[in-house]
Amino acid sequence: GAGVSQSPSNKVTEKGKDVELRCDPISGHTALYWYRQSLGQGLEFLIYFQGNSAPDKSGLPSDRFSAERTGGSVSTLTIQRTQQEDSAVYLCASSLVAGKTDTQYFGPGTRLTVL
Amino acid sequence: EDKVVQSPLSLVVHEGDTVTLNCSYEVTNFRSLLWYKQEKKAPTFLFMLTSSGIEKKSGRLSSILDKKELFSILNITATQTGDSAVYLCAVGKSGATNKLIFGTGTLLAVQP
Repeated sequence: GAGVSQSPSNKVTEKGKDVELRCDPISGHTALYWYRQSLGQGLEFLIYFQGNSAPDKSGLPSDRFSAERTGGSVSTLTIQRTQQEDSAVYLCASSLVAGKTDTQYFGPGTRLTVL
Repeated sequence: EDKVVQSPLSLVVHEGDTVTLNCSYEVTNFRSLLWYKQEKKAPTFLFMLTSSGIEKKSGRLSSILDKKELFSILNITATQTGDSAVYLCAVGKSGATNKLIFGTGTLLAVQP
């Protein structure tokens, strides 16, 4: 595709439910990142995938958060037992070759609202 | 702790004005500094800077990095209402993880 795509664009859920957010990176990009942007905050790094290497999960805020990347392309971010403080815009980005360029291209994000 | 600070937090100008946005950083293992423009959701890439003193230009936008004083500026000349957005500064670190450390952004509003 032409750019990074994410789905859904908006998600409203009830506290305690699980949610899955999807990211399709730019074709050919080997590195994929998830960030979270809370109201009035800067983007906060969550997790990073590079090829077949073990992901860097150092930014995940709790064990309720997990992510996977299947086939080196599509990624899913899962939040279990959602809490109100999980409400934020979740942004996915991809870059061509991690380590060679830091130019990350972002998707439109998923706005998650936990009631 | 790594830190990226942007100033001002917000700015209101009139069309035609020139603005300067600031970004200072304290980040270990600095590799690069990036500027993004965020209008609705997706930040769009503007510039990546890796070397001090070399200005990058794109139309009315330009940016420069000072690695000695640990800051960067983003200039926008002859501003237009379409420049209204949040401008994000981010620092990329060298090493195995290529995560970006973001500032909180500068909200620019350009009035007609």
